[in-house]
Amino acid sequence: AQRVTQPEKLLSVFKGAPVELKCNYSYSGSPELFWYVQYSRQRLQLLLRHISRESIKGFTADLNKGETSFHLKKPFAQEEDSAMYYCALSGGASGTYKYIFGTGTRLKVLA
Amino acid sequence: EAQVTQNPRYLITVTGKKLTVTCSQNMNHEYMSWYRQDPGLGLRQIYYSMNVEVTDKGDVPEGYKVSRKEKRNFPLILESPSPNQTSLYFCASSQLMPGLAGLSNEQFFGPGTRLTVL
Repeated sequence: AQRVTQPEKLLSVFKGAPVELKCNYSYSGSPELFWYVQYSRQRLQLLLRHISRESIKGFTADLNKGETSFHLKKPFAQEEDSAMYYCALSGGASGTYKYIFGTGTRLKVLA
Repeated sequence: EAQVTQNPRYLITVTGKKLTVTCSQNMNHEYMSWYRQDPGLGLRQIYYSMNVEVTDKGDVPEGYKVSRKEKRNFPLILESPSPNQTSLYFCASSQLMPGLAGLSNEQFFGPGTRLTVL
């Protein structure tokens, strides 16, 4: 079954500490992986996607096909990183193009 | 301004009273989608559309209908709402450029519609 798992509902870290938000997926094929972020009172927006291999706001995510993981990392957390983070995948097989989101992790960066 | 709009933003209704939540995008995107967001369950896809007159079920389509008669609009219809459809609903759109695996382009989300069914 296609599934995205984010094991942590809430992650609290101190400002300046490293952050890692975990994401594991289950998919029979090679999906596209994304991280979306929802800041307070703002719309859900794309943070980064694995196909771009980019770093946004200091965040990076590496796709590990062996472990079927796409963990989000940042070396030094900032207070403005506090938000809800969703890992998502899209997969196309036989002409279907669904998106599957994880349950989300709320990141709180403490001063 | 490029954006996805939803109306209404808030709606309180009663069981069985048909309702429609509208979604419109001005970016000429082919792909549009509806999600519901519930505590502890994240976002779950209800329906999606690859283009005009092309729609397909997501993971939780029961109790919902959609239509895509124009490229810019993708309304969500609840023919007979029930309390378990109380949720926060998001519409999203993206350009359709399928990768080898799936959709690789960014989805743009609307502001959300908070629906309460009594």
